[in-house]
Amino acid sequence: GAGVSQSPRYKVAKRGQDVALRCDPISGHVSLFWYQQALGQGPEFLTYFQNEAQLDKSGLPSDRFFAERPEGSVSTLKIQRTQQEDSAVYLCASSLLEGGSTEAFFGQGTRLTVV
Amino acid sequence: AQKITQTQPGMFVQEKEAVTLDCTYDTSDQSYGLFWYKQPSSGEMIFLIYQGSYDEQNATEGRYSLNFQKARKSANLVISASQLGDSAMYFCAMRVWVRNTGFQKLVFGTGTRLLVSP
Repeated sequence: GAGVSQSPRYKVAKRGQDVALRCDPISGHVSLFWYQQALGQGPEFLTYFQNEAQLDKSGLPSDRFFAERPEGSVSTLKIQRTQQEDSAVYLCASSLLEGGSTEAFFGQGTRLTVV
Repeated sequence: AQKITQTQPGMFVQEKEAVTLDCTYDTSDQSYGLFWYKQPSSGEMIFLIYQGSYDEQNATEGRYSLNFQKARKSANLVISASQLGDSAMYFCAMRVWVRNTGFQKLVFGTGTRLLVSP
């Protein structure tokens, strides 16, 4: 497809379970961002990739969160031992050039519910 | 601190009327970008309009215009001739440089839910 694709769209996890969220950016886009959007809030920055390099992970809430983009295209956000406070929509965005200075295109997000 | 403030949790407007969604921002940077996004119930962020900090003219995109008042640090979105399909969450965002890293990220406000009635 032409846009940013995220899967699954919805995920229900039992507390303590590990989850993996996938993002397929637009082909050729260098920059990739993950954002977390809690209910009733705006998205908040989690991490940034330039190709396969993770240049910033300062927004990851805890060491249970891990992101990778091994070949500079598809990215996976992994959450270990999920907690209820991890329930949120996780948005992925990609942009054409390095540095995130060009328009960001967002996926539809993955809604994670931890029960 | 880099911050976006949207003080209107919800707004109502009748179809075909104009509506203004408020946004103020806080930054000490000289170079920054301001965005408005629409988020329908399906979840994706749809880009509406962009204003650069050095742009002297207010940005316009079809029915959307951005009322940029730099001295007041405000970037209000004006939607003219509202349509039923405009009902959604609207987020104001600022693109800022992340210090010592060489990339820019988006900082979002808490959003305004717009409801357009027939």
